[in-house]
Amino acid sequence: GQQVMQIPQYQHVQEGEDFTTYCNSSTTLSNIQWYKQRPGGHPVFLIQLVKSGEVKKQKRLTFQFGEAKKNSSLHITATQTTDVGTYFCAGSSRSSASKIIFGSGTRLSIRP
Amino acid sequence: EAGVAQSPRYKIIEKRQSVAFWCNPISGHATLYWYQQILGQGPKLLIQFQNNGVVDDSQLPKDRFSAERLKGVDSTLKIQPAKLEDSAVYLCASSFDRGTYEQYFGPGTRLTVT
Repeated sequence: GQQVMQIPQYQHVQEGEDFTTYCNSSTTLSNIQWYKQRPGGHPVFLIQLVKSGEVKKQKRLTFQFGEAKKNSSLHITATQTTDVGTYFCAGSSRSSASKIIFGSGTRLSIRP
Repeated sequence: EAGVAQSPRYKIIEKRQSVAFWCNPISGHATLYWYQQILGQGPKLLIQFQNNGVVDDSQLPKDRFSAERLKGVDSTLKIQPAKLEDSAVYLCASSFDRGTYEQYFGPGTRLTVT
């Protein structure tokens, strides 16, 4: 079945450093969404990518969707303590657009 | 705009007991999802409703889990009987429609089975 993997599992950075998490799917995706979950909280939608090779930016966050629509990345420039949390990608495959698979997440912690 | 409501927020039960969770999605959202999130893992989709019909329940353990969304609005998820491995946070989410629409999550119900 479809699998969505994220790396790394954990990332501990100094405040001000950059951070990147990668998402890889075993099948071609129709779209990919990114969510952030603060400790003790629930996932909150960040962005959705639909087109092959798409790049979107939100302030210090840059999201990319691979050309083959099987991978994606989230890059945070100059991390701040407010960026702490777990970042999840979630994709639905072309063959089953209704079935959404979440990655295992990357937990980001920051040293002030 | 009110968010997704869930109750209860916390529940502790013994194994083999039954439990039910309730979710009220954002008004006007046709699609409703139930997820199970075990500590340290990503949310796992249990069931997806489109209005009052089931779109996907392939990962729902149907021997013990059931869910309904009778009038296409609020929904209940039931576990009967519960097992220790059911300890998790149960998240409800809704979206305007299925497909390329963002999901709005409720606060979740933290279930502990002892």
